[in-house]
Amino acid sequence: QVQLQESGPGLVKPSQTLSLTCSVSGGSISSGGYYWSWIRQRPGQGLEWIGFTYHSGSTYSNPSLKGRVTMSVDTSKNQLSLKVTSVTAADSAVYYCARRERSGGNYYFDYWGLGTLVTVSS
Amino acid sequence: DIQMTQSPSSLSASVGDRITITCRASQSISNHLNWYQQKPGEAPKLLIYAASTLQSGVPSRFSGSGSGTEFVLSISNLQPEDFATYYCQQGFLSTSITFGQGTRLDIK
Repeated sequence: QVQLQESGPGLVKPSQTLSLTCSVSGGSISSGGYYWSWIRQRPGQGLEWIGFTYHSGSTYSNPSLKGRVTMSVDTSKNQLSLKVTSVTAADSAVYYCARRERSGGNYYFDYWGLGTLVTVSS
Repeated sequence: DIQMTQSPSSLSASVGDRITITCRASQSISNHLNWYQQKPGEAPKLLIYAASTLQSGVPSRFSGSGSGTEFVLSISNLQPEDFATYYCQQGFLSTSITFGQGTRLDIK
């Protein structure tokens, strides 16, 4: 059973960089076959896809985040990481990591972490 | 981006009822539509993928249908644990995943 667990500071100051880690257990990121995604949910709002990363290091992020996102993988630790630069209050959200599955050209998220709340405030 | 619109935004129902939630895509997405359930304080949980395929472990009272631009999530014989928020998500474009705004299902 794959399990994901996000971790990182719960409070980040405006204009600084938000940094989160997602630890994966029950499966190896480096075994391939899956892309690993970050998704966030602002308080009381819906879900916003941030981007994905692959064990090879290839990444793709949502253009709406205007290049502020960096994602990476550490296969030795079986971890993913997310950095969002120049944060504002609009980046306050619960951040989830999730495994992206693919079936017949359809992409969906079958395993999710519990999420971690990040608040941007001075 | 493909816009996903759910209706209604909220609804109230009673235990034992049957309800339907509609999700419309701004362009055709074939059957690349997925449904999630989210309870307060929890992560979303995958219910249905590819419009109508039930994820392992999901009760058979959940069902999905549709293709192209219009999709429906149905829940029959509502149980107390089904009261939650439901999201649709298009999986048609891997580099532009989008979700519906959510439908909150409350107990009447």
